[in-house]
Amino acid sequence: GAVVSQHPSRVICKSGTSVKIECRSLDFQATTMFWYRQFPKQSLMLMATSNEGSKATYEQGVEKDKFLINHASLTLSTLTVTSAHPEDSSFYICSARPGESYNSPLHFGNGTRLTVT
Amino acid sequence: GQNIDQPTEMTATEGAIVQINCTYQTSGFNGLFWYQQHAGEAPTFLSYNVLDGLEEKGRFSSFLSRSKGYSYLLLKELQMKDSASYLCAVNQAGTALIFGKGTTLSVSS
Repeated sequence: GAVVSQHPSRVICKSGTSVKIECRSLDFQATTMFWYRQFPKQSLMLMATSNEGSKATYEQGVEKDKFLINHASLTLSTLTVTSAHPEDSSFYICSARPGESYNSPLHFGNGTRLTVT
Repeated sequence: GQNIDQPTEMTATEGAIVQINCTYQTSGFNGLFWYQQHAGEAPTFLSYNVLDGLEEKGRFSSFLSRSKGYSYLLLKELQMKDSASYLCAVNQAGTALIFGKGTTLSVSS
């Protein structure tokens, strides 16, 4: 159980275009989902917390107008990288926690490898 | 502020035991998690500690000392497939996890 699905797994786009990444909780409802970014040989950095039915909470240094987050339902959150640039190339991973207990682990999607040319 | 430290790299041989340490300084603490991550893949959950002491789960064990801000992950009977990054993560404020930079473990035969 507790499956998080992320799509696409890999995307290559041209500089200046926008890319949408979907994150779905397949067998549980998630009022909150988390978006992380990971550069090569670095750890996961929290970008934002996606809240169903309300605005996302962004971490310091993350541009909310560049990384648009929409959490329209209890099973779907989307991250749109707008006007992508080569420095946005990274591994983006979403995660969610089944249930309300903070003691339960986060479950991660398989990640999206974004390459901006 | 927050700071989570782990060694960058470790090496070990098949069948051996390895201990990966993690020290943390965070403004809040609601538990510590260990994840395994193979290159290019998503992290997978290994263990969780919220109280002091040792949690054992098969070949993997994790220890926590909250007073010392210290945890370790112990891997026994190492196998080649255990070569991966091991991430220490703190549940700081009850929601998202804050990750350390990870320890890359290389297991050789």
